[in-house]
Amino acid sequence: DAKTTQPPSMDCAEGRAANLPCNHSTISGNEYVYWYRQIHSQGPQYIIHGLKNNETNEMASLIITEDRKSSTLILPHATLRDTAVYYCIVRPDNAGNMLTFGGGTRLMVKP
Amino acid sequence: KAGVTQTPRYLIKTRGQQVTLSCSPISGHRSVSWYQQTPGQGLQFLFEYFSETQRNKGNFPGRFSGRQFSNSRSEMNVSTLELGDSALYLCASSLGGQGYEQYFGPGTRLTVT
Repeated sequence: DAKTTQPPSMDCAEGRAANLPCNHSTISGNEYVYWYRQIHSQGPQYIIHGLKNNETNEMASLIITEDRKSSTLILPHATLRDTAVYYCIVRPDNAGNMLTFGGGTRLMVKP
Repeated sequence: KAGVTQTPRYLIKTRGQQVTLSCSPISGHRSVSWYQQTPGQGLQFLFEYFSETQRNKGNFPGRFSGRQFSNSRSEMNVSTLELGDSALYLCASSLGGQGYEQYFGPGTRLTVT
């Protein structure tokens, strides 16, 4: 299974863009990149996912490099409510809906 | 559309007892997965059920079991509870298959004393 590497923590100023990197250099061709976040003691919340192309939804944008070895989650205008642990997950194509969570990045949005 | 619901939200049990946790998925979702979250081990996959069949299983002892009913509701059972089973147990539902996002419930906080 492809492993992911994320910085353990990041800070961001409120109102600025938060750019969260993820390295997944061993990803294979049909594995998706998923992002979830978990606000303290709540269930993880789905943010976005992609395969090859960049994706955007109402919450965030996902930028995947052309070689697919890394990706960046962008929260365009971070708010205090975006303070959470963000998980980058690579999902194997033969594992059903099993998600393997790493340590994630603890994003602190500061006023 | 209602989200994933889990009952009970909090539970206190004694070592050696057993416990059953319940999860109701989002309407129309056929896949239900269970996860355990502890401060030391983080979020770990327990098992997934799809159309009443276990499709995947994580690396947990046989004391952890589950099932899914025809209405997609799922239960997980932990027998002979140990102190280390104290955790937040999360359920997630999905339409199923690759490429579908999963939606998590609020979790059941289990404390074993």
